[in-house]
Amino acid sequence: QVQLAESGGGVVQPGRSLRLSCAASGFTFSSYGMHWVRQAPGKGLEWVAVISFDRNRKYYADSVKGRFTISRDNSKNTLFLQMNSLRAEDTAVYFCAKDAAEMATYFDYWGQGTLVTVSS
Amino acid sequence: DIQMTQSPSTLSASVGDRVTITCRASQTITNWLAWYQQKPGKAPKLVIFDASSLESGVPSRFSGSGSGTEFTLTISSLQPDDFATYYCQQYHSDSMYTFGQGTKLEIK
Repeated sequence: QVQLAESGGGVVQPGRSLRLSCAASGFTFSSYGMHWVRQAPGKGLEWVAVISFDRNRKYYADSVKGRFTISRDNSKNTLFLQMNSLRAEDTAVYFCAKDAAEMATYFDYWGQGTLVTVSS
Repeated sequence: DIQMTQSPSTLSASVGDRVTITCRASQTITNWLAWYQQKPGKAPKLVIFDASSLESGVPSRFSGSGSGTEFTLTISSLQPDDFATYYCQQYHSDSMYTFGQGTKLEIK
């Protein structure tokens, strides 16, 4: 069965960096687009970034553009999110989610999330 | 950017009720719309995709309809397990994916 497991969250000071990982199993990772979605405490869902199956296309929400970088290692079935210049408003649970196709469709599987807290 | 607006924000209902949640897009998204269910502390779960297609394993009391800019999620007969927050999401553009603000379905 499809499994997605995020890791790398924690408490970080404003302006610092953090790298999230998402280990995937149970499907052909290299055939599907992958996303990061976040949810601030008590708030709704916010899409963060997407990467195509072949790494050729990457898109970001305006709120993270220029600070966050999405990447993937298809040989290790792992998705990453490099987060730089973190701000208090980046505090959220970060979910990785599998696209139902190569990219640009709905999210059919989600991980359980990892909490990032940006605080001094 | 495409904005998604859900209504109502909160809905109080009883077991057995029929409920409808509405999602409006700021521009046409054809039928590129999904609905997710989220329970506290859990990841979202896909319920409906392509506006009206039921995800495998989801009970048939859930249905979706609409196209263009207006969409609905209907639960025909509420069950205790259905009380959760529901989000719509558009995927018309491959460079931007937008969620609605959510509708919390509460027990009356």
